[in-house]
Amino acid sequence: AQSVTQLDSHVSVSEGTPVLLRCNYSSSYSPSLFWYVQHPNKGLQLLLKYTSAATLVKGINGFEAEFKKSETSFHLTKPSAHMSDAAEYFCVVSSLKAAGNKLTFGGGTRVLVKP
Amino acid sequence: DAGITQSPRHKVTETGTPVTLRCHQTENHRYMYWYRQDPGHGLRLIHYSYGVKDTDKGEVSDGYSVSRSKTEDFLLTLESATSSQTSVYFCAISEGTSNEQFFGPGTRLTVL
Repeated sequence: AQSVTQLDSHVSVSEGTPVLLRCNYSSSYSPSLFWYVQHPNKGLQLLLKYTSAATLVKGINGFEAEFKKSETSFHLTKPSAHMSDAAEYFCVVSSLKAAGNKLTFGGGTRVLVKP
Repeated sequence: DAGITQSPRHKVTETGTPVTLRCHQTENHRYMYWYRQDPGHGLRLIHYSYGVKDTDKGEVSDGYSVSRSKTEDFLLTLESATSSQTSVYFCAISEGTSNEQFFGPGTRLTVL
């Protein structure tokens, strides 16, 4: 079984300040972990993924995430928020099985960026 | 962008009517998925397919059926729509060799 908990349903930051989105996971297998972003009325776009290589993963648009096995966490950060970062972010865990990988989504964190 | 289209993009229907949503891909990916998105739940897997005529249930499959007669098309059917099936439905695809999934633009379904 696998599950994902996003610890904040809403985060509000000022433009130019750091962003931290927290994610904890549980998985019976060695997990793959992802962050996806969804802008209003749009589909989901992959920001970054962890698949058992480097524990610090760099993604698009200046985002990065660190996999910490001991803490079962995969927090997403960005040093300086931009107005275009206002969106909903989903932390996702996957276990690759013979019949196709299944993704389990967290509940999402909605980010508001204030000017 | 991955070549995934969904049709229709918006649909309003009445309780008890059948509804079919279509997902079409041009990537020749083996795996296809249907999710529903509801506030506070993220996306939840309804059904998925790992090849032509090969499908399996996800975590919220009750009231839904799927079919995949061609690699490029994956259909989701609500045999008798209910108001609880009002949602945004996303199709996704993956190669299978890496487990990231690529998502379509979504279909907003309203059941009155």
